[in-house]
Amino acid sequence: GEDVEQSLFLSVREGDSSVINCTYTDSSSTYLYWYKQEPGAGLQLLTYIFSNMDMKQDQRLTVLLNKKDKHLSLRIADTQTGDSAIYFCAESIGGYQKVTFGTGTKLQVIP
Amino acid sequence: NAGVTQTPKFQVLKTGQSMTLQCAQDMNHEYMSWYRQDPGMGLRLIHYSVGAGITDQGEVPNGYNVSRSTTEDFPLRLLSAAPSQTSVYFCASSYSRASAKETQYFGPGTRLLVL
Repeated sequence: GEDVEQSLFLSVREGDSSVINCTYTDSSSTYLYWYKQEPGAGLQLLTYIFSNMDMKQDQRLTVLLNKKDKHLSLRIADTQTGDSAIYFCAESIGGYQKVTFGTGTKLQVIP
Repeated sequence: NAGVTQTPKFQVLKTGQSMTLQCAQDMNHEYMSWYRQDPGMGLRLIHYSVGAGITDQGEVPNGYNVSRSTTEDFPLRLLSAAPSQTSVYFCASSYSRASAKETQYFGPGTRLLVL
């Protein structure tokens, strides 16, 4: 089956690092994604990682993939108030019709 | 480019009423899809289309119909609205499904309340 799980809420202080975690169950995932949803808006792709990679860094964002444990994480360095949003992880297996989204983690950044 | 547009932004329906949620994109994308977002459940795929004239069911298709007569438009129809269809609906599009890393562009969403 395809289940993607995330914790529902994370609160951090401005300037600290945020780590948002995700677990998935389908070992045949091709790509794993992180999306950001700001209030009242649609989802915006932040980054993705191919399943044969362990890590991907993009400015303040670091994605770590542990295939053995089926664990994906998103680290945001120097978290800012503008990072407050809901973050979704998602996995795909060969095409968009099989993209499965997690439940979303609401990140609250405290000034 | 306007990107992916959705109308209306918000709608209230009575049980049994029908309506169409509109979605349009001006990026010449082949692939379009509809999701619903419910608290604690992430996004669930309702229907998708890989090109004009081609549609298929997603994870939760019951109660919804779609058609794709043009590349640009992908309307979602609720034939007889039920309270269980109260949700936020997102339309998304991308160039193709050939590569899973193709970015999906999401519309701003339609909030639907069924009384």
